[in-house]
Amino acid sequence: QSVLTQPPSASGTPGQRVTISCSGSRSNIGNNYVHWYQQLPGTAPKVLIYQRNQRPSGVPARFSGSKSGSSASLAISGLRSEDEAVYYCATWDDRLSGFWVFGGGTKLTVL
Amino acid sequence: QLHLQESGPGLVKPSETLSLTCTVSGGSISSGSYYWGWLRQPPGKGLEWIGSIFYRGSTYYNPSLKSRVTISVDTSKNQFSLELRSVTAADTAVYYCARLVAVAGHGDGDYFDYWGQGTLVTVSS
Repeated sequence: QSVLTQPPSASGTPGQRVTISCSGSRSNIGNNYVHWYQQLPGTAPKVLIYQRNQRPSGVPARFSGSKSGSSASLAISGLRSEDEAVYYCATWDDRLSGFWVFGGGTKLTVL
Repeated sequence: QLHLQESGPGLVKPSETLSLTCTVSGGSISSGSYYWGWLRQPPGKGLEWIGSIFYRGSTYYNPSLKSRVTISVDTSKNQFSLELRSVTAADTAVYYCARLVAVAGHGDGDYFDYWGQGTLVTVSS
């Protein structure tokens, strides 16, 4: 059972805009940056969004992140078939001595 | 281009110790801007952070695993290693090593930017 809650699945058609939610608490999302990772089948995760909606070079501007209170969202506009992957949110949790926490992942299907 | 590669046994018996090594190439593990971490992913499940280490040896562990984990670093070999003791079937997972970009020490704002390909470790007798 993951500390951060994500819907297990999401879907959209090519060209659509899709959002994936990530819910946490004050000790994690509420107080800290949220990062998003994309995991294509059979590969290691890749950072998609980090800190305050920053994208590594090579990640298209179609991907964007936002946060409100103890929840965060990843938005993908202009959906493409190659976006089909599992998406994870992640953040720092301030409890105890601090530790990284992840969501359970959302499988995005491009119909 | 930075490359990380996990190595170690793919099968470990219950109650024994899981040992993995991550070899870093294309960059120095001794850079002060990064930490080096271990994460895992049980089959069909999400990601779990195991722990991180700085090249000078300071370590940080997931509280849920802290009593069983040791992470160490060998700067002369550009490697860092994971030991997980007293394993059970619940420790069966793909284990990843990764580089953690340190913004201001180890914590908020840091993120994992380079990952190894992952190695499946099965705990079974």
